[in-house]
Amino acid sequence: KQEVTQIPAALSVPEGENLVLNCSFTDSAIYNLQWFRQDPGKGLTSLLLIQSSQREQTSGRLNASLDKSSGRSTLYIAASQPGDSATYLCAANFGNEKLTFGTGTRLTIIP
Amino acid sequence: AAGVIQSPRHLIKEKRETATLKCYPIPRHDTVYWYQQGPGQDPQFLISFYEKMQSDKGSIPDRFSAQQFSDYHSELNMSSLELGDSALYFCAGGLAGDDTQYFGPGTRLTVL
Repeated sequence: KQEVTQIPAALSVPEGENLVLNCSFTDSAIYNLQWFRQDPGKGLTSLLLIQSSQREQTSGRLNASLDKSSGRSTLYIAASQPGDSATYLCAANFGNEKLTFGTGTRLTIIP
Repeated sequence: AAGVIQSPRHLIKEKRETATLKCYPIPRHDTVYWYQQGPGQDPQFLISFYEKMQSDKGSIPDRFSAQQFSDYHSELNMSSLELGDSALYFCAGGLAGDDTQYFGPGTRLTVL
């Protein structure tokens, strides 16, 4: 069964620190992986998309990596800000176009 | 830039009623995906369409049906609503060959 896991479920970090969010997936035949941000009760904002042929993608203070062999992706956030507080979801496309989501990591940046 | 539009944004229904959720993808996008996100849960794939044909089906109850129209908008029809149907329903649009799915703001359905 193709599954996506995110641990921990919640993370609190002081403002200004760098942090890493983790995402694990069970099927190494992943097509691509997407990271989203979700504010409470709101929609999903796409942050980064990594193709299976790529190792990482960068957008501003965000850097996402993908290691198919180990079944892992990480989202690195540099110089965290209170506005970064949200739930971060990773979602894998295993080649059938639909996304399989992880359960998310709720991030709180402490001012 | 135009984004994915979902309507209504909020909907309150009674048990056993019906509901219709609408999704308008970004212009020229030909693919639509529907997801259901229950309270405190991750989004679960329901169904998808490409060029007005169903392309994949997930954990969608038989009480639900959906279709994509000639203008590429999609509607999710839900009948005999149950309390457990209360959730945030997202649609996402995309373009065949482009791997990014663009999500709408969601419709929050509350069944009383």
